[in-house]
Amino acid sequence: AQKVTQAQTEISVVEKEDVTLDCVYETRDTTYYLFWYKQPPSGELVFLIRRNSFDEQNEISGRYSWNFQKSTSSFNFTITASQVVDSAVYFCALGLNTGGFKTIFGAGTRLFVKA
Amino acid sequence: NAGVMQNPRHLVRRRGQEARLRCSPMKGHSHVYWYRQLPEEGLKFMVYLQKENIIDESGMPKERFSAEFPKEGPSILRIQQVVRGDSAAYFCASSPAEGGNSPLHFGNGTRLTVT
Repeated sequence: AQKVTQAQTEISVVEKEDVTLDCVYETRDTTYYLFWYKQPPSGELVFLIRRNSFDEQNEISGRYSWNFQKSTSSFNFTITASQVVDSAVYFCALGLNTGGFKTIFGAGTRLFVKA
Repeated sequence: NAGVMQNPRHLVRRRGQEARLRCSPMKGHSHVYWYRQLPEEGLKFMVYLQKENIIDESGMPKERFSAEFPKEGPSILRIQQVVRGDSAAYFCASSPAEGGNSPLHFGNGTRLTVT
C-alpha cells in the first residue's frame, strides 16, 4: 500500500511556541520522495521542501526544520517560534516513480497560531 | 506571470450541467496533474497527463469525468452531468519532469459549486 498519514487533524498553538507536524508514510518502493506543502487561507498550495529516500539528513530553513527517519517511515516538520502567518493547512506528500509517477498527499494538518 | 493558471476561479453549475475546468501549466512544463480537494479534506489524485497522453487516470471516477491535454492549448478537466457530490476545489499542478521526484507547482484552483 502507498499511503501518507497525518494523524493530527488540527493543532492550535500560541505565537512563539514550537510545533511539530507529524507525517508517516507507507511504500514498498526503495526510491521515493517526500514533500511538504503549505496551503494558507487564501487557498493556493506552496511547495516547502523535497527529500529523496536516500538522503536522511535533516534540514533547517529559517524557523522550519524537517526530520526524516526511514526507520520509522516518518518525515516530521517543526516550526520554531511560530507566528500567526504560519496558520495554514500543511500537507505531507509521497512522490513515487512506479505505479504511475504520482504524488500522494496526506489529509493535511490545520495549524492555528494565535497571537 | 509564468505560474500555473487555472480558470475559472469559481464555477457554479446546476445538477445535470457540464463543468469545464482549464489549466495552463507553467512555461516549459509538459506534465499536468489534477487533484480534487473536498471541504476539510486532503488532496486526492485524479489524473496525470503529458501532452496528448493520459499517463495515469487511476484516481478519476470511471463515469462522467474526463481529462485531456492537447498539443496546443490548456489541459481540460470535464465533468458531465454534475451532481452535488462533485462540489469541491479542483487543483491543477504542473512539473517539468515526470513523476514523483518533481515538486508540483499548483494553480489557485477552481472551486466548483453544484446547486
